[in-house]
Amino acid sequence: DGGITQSPKYLFRKEGQNVTLSCEQNLNHDAMYWYRQDPGQGLRLIYYSQIVNDFQKGDIAEGYSVSREKKESFPLTVTSAQKNPTAFYLCASSPWTGAHSYEQYFGPGTRLTVT
Amino acid sequence: AQSVTQLGSHVSVSEGALVLLRCNYSSSVPPYLFWYVQYPNQGLQLLLKYTSAATLVKGINGFEAEFKKSETSFHLTKPSAHMSDAAEYFCAVTLDPNTGKLIFGQGTTLQVKP
Repeated sequence: DGGITQSPKYLFRKEGQNVTLSCEQNLNHDAMYWYRQDPGQGLRLIYYSQIVNDFQKGDIAEGYSVSREKKESFPLTVTSAQKNPTAFYLCASSPWTGAHSYEQYFGPGTRLTVT
Repeated sequence: AQSVTQLGSHVSVSEGALVLLRCNYSSSVPPYLFWYVQYPNQGLQLLLKYTSAATLVKGINGFEAEFKKSETSFHLTKPSAHMSDAAEYFCAVTLDPNTGKLIFGQGTTLQVKP
């Protein structure tokens, strides 16, 4: 089945440690996105990538980093510089072709807790 | 600038009653509009989308939405609520069709009472 996988589902880390969240898709989508979700704040865009080896900052990129070495993979690293990293993180992909805006498809999410 | 406003962070209906979730948008370009549903601790699932074709859009699970340009609205409706509809619903609008970026509303939690 085609889809987006995120692992792990739950992640616990100590303050000051970097942590990498995995996102893989087998939908052959060009574009991928990372969002952060906090209660009552909707979804906020962290980073996005429209093509391999290229990515752009979203609205809240500080304290995060990404890579896009393969079309199907878009890992997110939450660094120790992120002041409040505890949140639910969602990865999405879209068959964006540059000519039209298509809907985004979401993974199941990773809940990160930093203590 | 593009923006999305969902009126009402919580909506409660009785099972079998009409569901109406409100979404108003602001967009400087012809918008693409979406409704997503999220169940607890899960990702978002696309319910329906408007991409400049028919103004009345039918989606999954009996939901539909009507695009009204004059009112800049894209309200989500379902004639008869089911207990399984209890979830959080997000309206989204294309921020920039050249990038595929979306802006999401704050979300509306739908409670369905037996």
